[in-house]
Amino acid sequence: GQNIDQPTEMTATEGAIVQINCTYQTSGFNGLFWYQQHAGEAPTFLSYNVLDGLEEKGRFSSFLSRSKGYSYLLLKELQMKDSASYLCAVMDSNYQLIWGAGTKLIIKP
Amino acid sequence: NAGVMQNPRHLVRRRGQEARLRCSPMKGHSHVYWYRQLPEEGLKFMVYLQKENIIDESGMPKERFSAEFPKEGPSILRIQQVVRGDSAAYFCASSPPDRNTGELFFGEGSRLTVL
Repeated sequence: GQNIDQPTEMTATEGAIVQINCTYQTSGFNGLFWYQQHAGEAPTFLSYNVLDGLEEKGRFSSFLSRSKGYSYLLLKELQMKDSASYLCAVMDSNYQLIWGAGTKLIIKP
Repeated sequence: NAGVMQNPRHLVRRRGQEARLRCSPMKGHSHVYWYRQLPEEGLKFMVYLQKENIIDESGMPKERFSAEFPKEGPSILRIQQVVRGDSAAYFCASSPPDRNTGELFFGEGSRLTVL
């Protein structure tokens, strides 16, 4: 079966750095996505990785290792507005997105 | 440039009634996806449609649920004889013709409450 695993909840301090991990087992791989979802709102696109390595975009970076079936989302200089759920999704061989349950990130002052 | 439009944003139904949720994709997008999200849970794929075609309905319950994307007008997710377990947020997403990019654009969701 296809499976995406990520922690249910994480807590971090304003101004700090946090790393949210995602491991996956899917039938084929056509890329890994991270989305941000604030409570009661629609998910919004953050990043896309299809090759191994680190993609940096401002305060957010995303890393992929295809051989390990592993990705992480790194958030630097945390702000209160970063409190949200972060969803990991993998596109399988049929170009269908398989979603993780999301990691709820709580930022404390 | 309007984003993905969903309506109604909130819908309350009694058990046994029908719920109709509408989704207009972004301009130029030809692929529509419906997802269901229960509180504190991830997105669950339901169905993927193109104009006048259901491409993948592997996530749709076999009974009571149906979806369409007609040549003209919005995509509609229809739930007949609703039950309390149908209470959830239903998100629609669209993508451009080159869906290999994988990026989805989501609507604000329709929150269904079944009394």
